[in-house]
Amino acid sequence: QVQLVESGGGVVQPGRSLRLSCAASGFTFSSYGMHWVRQAPGKGLEWVAVISYDGSNKFYADSVKGRFTISRDNSKNTLDLQMNSLRPEDTAVYYCAKGRSGGQRDSMDVWGQGTTVTVSS
Amino acid sequence: EIVMTQSPATLSVSPGERATLSCRASQSVSSNLAWYQQKPGQAPRLLIYGASTRATDIPARFSGSGSGTEFTLTISGLQSEDFAVYYCQQYNKWPPEPTFGQGTRLEIK
Repeated sequence: QVQLVESGGGVVQPGRSLRLSCAASGFTFSSYGMHWVRQAPGKGLEWVAVISYDGSNKFYADSVKGRFTISRDNSKNTLDLQMNSLRPEDTAVYYCAKGRSGGQRDSMDVWGQGTTVTVSS
Repeated sequence: EIVMTQSPATLSVSPGERATLSCRASQSVSSNLAWYQQKPGQAPRLLIYGASTRATDIPARFSGSGSGTEFTLTISGLQSEDFAVYYCQQYNKWPPEPTFGQGTRLEIK
């Protein structure tokens, strides 16, 4: 079945780095844009970044621009999020999500279970 | 940034009744509007895209309407599993900058 599984979350000190991964299965990964969306404790959903089906286009929320990098490996069906210079306000559950129709301007029809990132000293 | 505003923040409805949730965009998003359902400890689930098209396996009691800046999610004949938080999301802007509403909590009356 269609599935996304995130990994890589944990507790990290402010200013440090963390790399999240998302393993995709059950669909043609290389045909769809992929997103990262986060949710701070007790808060709503915040879009973080999107990457096009072939990795050629990447877009970021202003809150993470210059600090986070989204990437993908279509040969391994994996999506990554490199997070540098982490701040306490980056503390959240991070979800990877599949774009529904293939573009980057899209709804998200498959979500992973999320991985928790806590930034604290 | 396109700001999405949902109302009410909390809606109390009895099982079997109808719930109407609203979402307003700060500027036109055409029909590029999605609705999601999220239950505690779970990931969001896509309910509606294109403002009115049900996603795969979504029951017919969920319906969406609207275009431009005003949107509605209607849930008819509420069932126990429908009590959750609902988010709207616009995906109209280019370059992509999807934004979500703050959510409406649908609770049992």
